[in-house]
Amino acid sequence: ETGVTQSPTHLIKTRGQQVTLRCSSQSGHNTVSWYQQALGQGPQFIFQYYREEENGRGNFPPRFSGLQFPNYSSELNVNALELDDSALYLCASINPTGGTSDEQYFGPGTRLTVT
Amino acid sequence: AQSVTQLDSQVPVFEEAPVELRCNYSSSVSVYLFWYVQYPNQGLQLLLKYLSGSTLVKGINGFEAEFNKSQTSFHLRKPSVHISDTAEYFCAVETGGFKTIFGAGTRLFVKA
Repeated sequence: ETGVTQSPTHLIKTRGQQVTLRCSSQSGHNTVSWYQQALGQGPQFIFQYYREEENGRGNFPPRFSGLQFPNYSSELNVNALELDDSALYLCASINPTGGTSDEQYFGPGTRLTVT
Repeated sequence: AQSVTQLDSQVPVFEEAPVELRCNYSSSVSVYLFWYVQYPNQGLQLLLKYLSGSTLVKGINGFEAEFNKSQTSFHLRKPSVHISDTAEYFCAVETGGFKTIFGAGTRLFVKA
């Protein structure tokens, strides 16, 4: 148990629809990263939020967007869903301490299926 | 640009046998290296990490990894595996600011 929760667990959407995935970070963690893990592949970095601001983005189109709230929970929004968006979406919370590297705590993921 | 290559997509091994999961990375700058494990229908759990210092890193569940800068490798080893070690293992490189790049994964299958 990492203390990071994600909802929903599973989701089925139709191509062209919009989806919102949610992540509740571990208490006190002010940074969250989102990853997309397609079947049989490693996770790919989508973006990171630090204190409610986007802090870096991977190679994903603008229809992937996010929000981080004052309590550091966050959302991943995907518009105009495509079949290739079917994947496991993982969030990871981090509490940067200014050290060399701080551990990412991953949630269990949301399995999105686009039909 | 950084990249991670896991050389084996699947590794079958008998229980109590040793195992090595291979990982090579490419980077023009210093990196932090990680191994994560993912059990079915779960998120990722950190096994171990290399930040600096000793090149032999010990992690949880009896796993260890050795950083080899000249060969740009970070192979994961366990001297004796258990059925419960069956899972997907991911090697990863951190590029700074926690923007982690993952390999494609190695499925370890431990047979009785």
